[in-house]
Amino acid sequence: EAGVTQSPTHLIKTRGQQATLRCSPISGHTSVYWYQQALGLGLQFLLWYDEGEERNRGNFPPRFSGRQFPNYSSELNVNALELEDSALYLCASSSKGGFDGYTFGSGTRLTVV
Amino acid sequence: GNSVTQMEGPVTLSEEAFLTINCTYTATGYPSLFWYVQYPGEGLQLLLKATKADDKGSNKGFEATYRKETTSFHLEKGSVQVSDSAVYFCALSFVLGNQFYFGTGTSLTVIP
Repeated sequence: EAGVTQSPTHLIKTRGQQATLRCSPISGHTSVYWYQQALGLGLQFLLWYDEGEERNRGNFPPRFSGRQFPNYSSELNVNALELEDSALYLCASSSKGGFDGYTFGSGTRLTVV
Repeated sequence: GNSVTQMEGPVTLSEEAFLTINCTYTATGYPSLFWYVQYPGEGLQLLLKATKADDKGSNKGFEATYRKETTSFHLEKGSVQVSDSAVYFCALSFVLGNQFYFGTGTSLTVIP
């Protein structure tokens, strides 16, 4: 069974540009979560999508947005990139309810220069 | 609110040493508790979990017991190996809501 896949693995952008990160959940999982792992800050919750709807978002500005497609894959968009947005962005998926925990992808390393 | 506090790292141990990584939590309800492990260059993997008080989660020689009275979920392993070198995250979640709250992670390095 394929795990959670994220693309691209690495992304380098210039300050002010937009970045698009993609995530495909495990087959059968309907929930997708996005986390930011910045150096020294642990995992910060960004967004939760389930059944195509945004269910919750963390304490991030509106320039962090995303969506979930009918096949449950998801896209995270970061507009007007700032240097502080440089981080590892992790996507996770779970079955409805998430009782068994998340399954994480390997992440997209975003570097803003 | 809900939060998880882990012991500061990094932790460096010799092979076959005993490992304890402390984790305490604050929660507004009755959470499930998890330990995740992140190997270099990879995403997080679920290591073990416990869903109610006094439950013991175990996997790959690691174990942790859900202690409601001390709001703790300390990770232990009797004899660590070099391959256990990774970052370990304690986390909590609730049956409803799906959002996980993670600790800041504890880096473990095991030297031969």
